[in-house]
Amino acid sequence: EVQLVESGGGLVQPGGSLRLSCAASGFTFNNYEMNWVRQAPGKGLEWVSYIGRSGITIYYADSVKGRFTISRDNAKNSLYLQMNSLRAEDTAVYYCARAGDSSGYSDHWGQGTLVTVSS
Amino acid sequence: SYELTQPPSVSVSPGQTARITCSGVALPNQYAYWYQQKPGQAPVLVIYKDTERPSGIPERFSGSSSGTTVTMTISGVQAEDEADFYCQSADSSGSYNVVFGGGTKLTVL
Repeated sequence: EVQLVESGGGLVQPGGSLRLSCAASGFTFNNYEMNWVRQAPGKGLEWVSYIGRSGITIYYADSVKGRFTISRDNAKNSLYLQMNSLRAEDTAVYYCARAGDSSGYSDHWGQGTLVTVSS
Repeated sequence: SYELTQPPSVSVSPGQTARITCSGVALPNQYAYWYQQKPGQAPVLVIYKDTERPSGIPERFSGSSSGTTVTMTISGVQAEDEADFYCQSADSSGSYNVVFGGGTKLTVL
């Protein structure tokens, strides 16, 4: 069974940093691309970032480009999202999701971790 | 920026057919994907590549495409189908741009 478990969310002040982690199990992690997708409270889904199998190919949404960094450790079956210069509008549940292919869709999702940016 | 347009809400009675549309100018050239999200839960993929259904998704869920509009259909709607539904696709600009529709709240009357 595919399992994705996010951690690292919490309350952070504007301008601060946070690092999210996602532990993957139940599949061969290094065979799959991965996504981060977020959802602000009461709002819709927003794609955040994509990383290829080897970690070389990376894409970001314009809203986070230059502030967020996606990475992965295939030896640890883990995905990460380093978030810097956080803003109030980054407040959201962040989902780790396994990509179905390189087009960006996600075939399995974690339960999400809440990030709140507030003073 | 590229947008996918969905109706905010759709209401149907149990046993009827629900159709949720998603419109975007690049849809003739890009696949669409559909997710179901129930309150407090993570999204679940229900349709991929316009018409394909993942394993474990009931046969009453189907997808179709026509020009700039894709449609997800639920035949014989059940009370448990009540949820928010999101379409997802990409633009054709050549840059990597994954976009979600605004979501449709399906209410089972």
